[in-house]
Amino acid sequence: GQQVMQIPQYQHVQEGEDFTTYCNSSTTLSNIQWYKQRPGGHPVFLIQLVKSGEVKKQKRLTFQFGEAKKNSSLHITATQTTDVGTYFCAGGSSYKLIFGSGTRLLVRP
Amino acid sequence: GAGVSQSPSNKVTEKGKDVELRCDPISGHTALYWYRQSLGQGLEFLIYFQGNSAPDKSGLPSDRFSAERTGGSVSTLTIQRTQQEDSAVYLCASRAGTTLTGTQYFGPGTRLTVL
Repeated sequence: GQQVMQIPQYQHVQEGEDFTTYCNSSTTLSNIQWYKQRPGGHPVFLIQLVKSGEVKKQKRLTFQFGEAKKNSSLHITATQTTDVGTYFCAGGSSYKLIFGSGTRLLVRP
Repeated sequence: GAGVSQSPSNKVTEKGKDVELRCDPISGHTALYWYRQSLGQGLEFLIYFQGNSAPDKSGLPSDRFSAERTGGSVSTLTIQRTQQEDSAVYLCASRAGTTLTGTQYFGPGTRLTVL
């Protein structure tokens, strides 16, 4: 069945450093979504990418969708302590989203 | 309310007991999903509803798990004869029916602890 792999599992950075998490699907996706889950909270939608090679930015966050629509990345520039949480990618092919295992980001102040 | 709500927020039960978890989706959202999240893990898909029907139940771990949805709104996830490995956070999400892969809005979850 379809699988979505996400790396790294954990990332511990100094405040101000950059952070990137990568997502790979075993099959071509119709879209990719990114969610953030704060400690003790529930996943909150960040963004959806649909087009091959698409790049979207939200302030310090940059999201990319690969040309083959099988991989994606989230890059955070100059991390802040408010960025702490687990970032999940979720690949969609129809009604269903397959979630990656998430990357837990810890930021040292 | 504007968001997805779930109840109870926490449930502690003894092994072998049955539990019912409730989800109130965003009004008008036709699609509803149940996920399970074990501590420090990702989201495990359980079941998908479109209206009152469940075209995809493939994620339910065993026949002890069942779910229903009535009136195209509230959904209940029932776990019979709970086991310790059922301990997890159970998340519900709803989606407007306009596009198949639109944004899913998550509820706060029910934390289930089986002693």
